[in-house]
Amino acid sequence: DVKVTQSSRYLVKRTGEKVFLECVQDMDHENMFWYRQDPGLGLRLIYFSYDVKMKEKGDIPEGYSVSREKKERFSLILESASTNQTSMYLCASSSGGRAEISNEQFFGPGTRLTVL
Amino acid sequence: RKEVEQDPGPFNVPEGATVAFNCTYSNSASQSFFWYRQDCRKEPKLLMSVYSSGNEDGRFTAQLNRASQYISLLIRDSKLSDSATYLCVVNLFTGNQFYFGTGTSLTVIP
Repeated sequence: DVKVTQSSRYLVKRTGEKVFLECVQDMDHENMFWYRQDPGLGLRLIYFSYDVKMKEKGDIPEGYSVSREKKERFSLILESASTNQTSMYLCASSSGGRAEISNEQFFGPGTRLTVL
Repeated sequence: RKEVEQDPGPFNVPEGATVAFNCTYSNSASQSFFWYRQDCRKEPKLLMSVYSSGNEDGRFTAQLNRASQYISLLIRDSKLSDSATYLCVVNLFTGNQFYFGTGTSLTVIP
């Protein structure tokens, strides 16, 4: 079974804090993604990575950065958290690299982040 | 204008009913299409990909209409376990553009 895990299910942070969200997948997938999910807006792609140290911006990268130092791990960083970053954050992975970016994505359970 | 639009519902149908969802997309360059299912407080999971020729998986049928830029999902003989939110997903060939619809909520009633 593909497994995508995220470091926390629930997280509460204060405005201005630096926040790290970690995602690990155990299926040797090339592609990894970070989304946020908000009511009425659906899932929106923040960043994705198709290889170690490679990253590409998604639809809403502002206020976020990412790091992929190892194939199995993809981190999302909020440099200075703001209240409008309160959301559900979902990590996903898929096989195939950039050429097969549309392969099935496997999602982690999500991290509900609240910024006060 | 949103890239992908879905009727949010909710759709409340009795067991055994047939229900259909539509999803429209705005970018004619869209290349790949999917339906994902998301249970309450759970992560999305792939239900099925949508091919140009249409495809069927048991009680589920997905169709793509490129001319009108919409995809559809038909569920026959609804089961209680079909209750979930169904997400329409569209991907552009460039790869970094995945667009999810806001989801259509389905409740199957005994």
